[in-house]
Amino acid sequence: QSALTQPASVSGSPGQSITISCTGTSSDVGDYNFVSWYQHHPGKAPKLMIYDVSNRPSGVSNRFSGSKSGNTASLTISGLQAEDEADYYCSSWRSGSTYVFGTGTKVTVL
Amino acid sequence: QVQLQESGPGLVKPSETLSLTCTVSRGSISSYYWSWIRQPPGEGLEWIAYIYYSGRTNYNPSLKSRVTISVDTTKNQVSLKLTSVTAADTAVYYCARIGRSVAGTGYFDYWGQGALVTVSS
Repeated sequence: QSALTQPASVSGSPGQSITISCTGTSSDVGDYNFVSWYQHHPGKAPKLMIYDVSNRPSGVSNRFSGSKSGNTASLTISGLQAEDEADYYCSSWRSGSTYVFGTGTKVTVL
Repeated sequence: QVQLQESGPGLVKPSETLSLTCTVSRGSISSYYWSWIRQPPGEGLEWIAYIYYSGRTNYNPSLKSRVTISVDTTKNQVSLKLTSVTAADTAVYYCARIGRSVAGTGYFDYWGQGALVTVSS
């Protein structure tokens, strides 16, 4: 089961905005609005940041936003802060009633 | 809020069966789907399987022949068994709840801390 494609790393200076892409196919990202994003600090449990493409769970900063166009979903972090440095994973529902994760992106705050 | 805690042996021998249990507290296991996800060292997340509290299941096609997920509603627990393990199955194994929105059940909203399982003789 092939993973969704994310850039290995993205970096930005404090206060800047960065965008992480998540590319799938017409069998997952392109066909379902069930894309979610997770922030993962090593050694901790992953944290849900965005669900259903663009919805933020209660308690998640509005600096995090999600969108989708065709087979590619995106997570944007605006006003980058040192605490945003972490690994980020996208996930999508896939035909066959399964889930698939992205390859993961390491975000570095310069 | 809901808490999930994985438990099980941290070391499993090659060719044997990996068994893990996820205990759910501060919430009921009923009316939700529950999932297992793993992360090999230095790699990304991989979805393994999910189960509804009533017993409906689905598996990652690449692991389906070796995986069994089960639920015990009386104990508020979800279990995972992975047979014929190799070093490639060494990973941190996470238990997660599948959230519900108006649109459906497309995300994992609560996660356990994870349990490291090493496959080695």
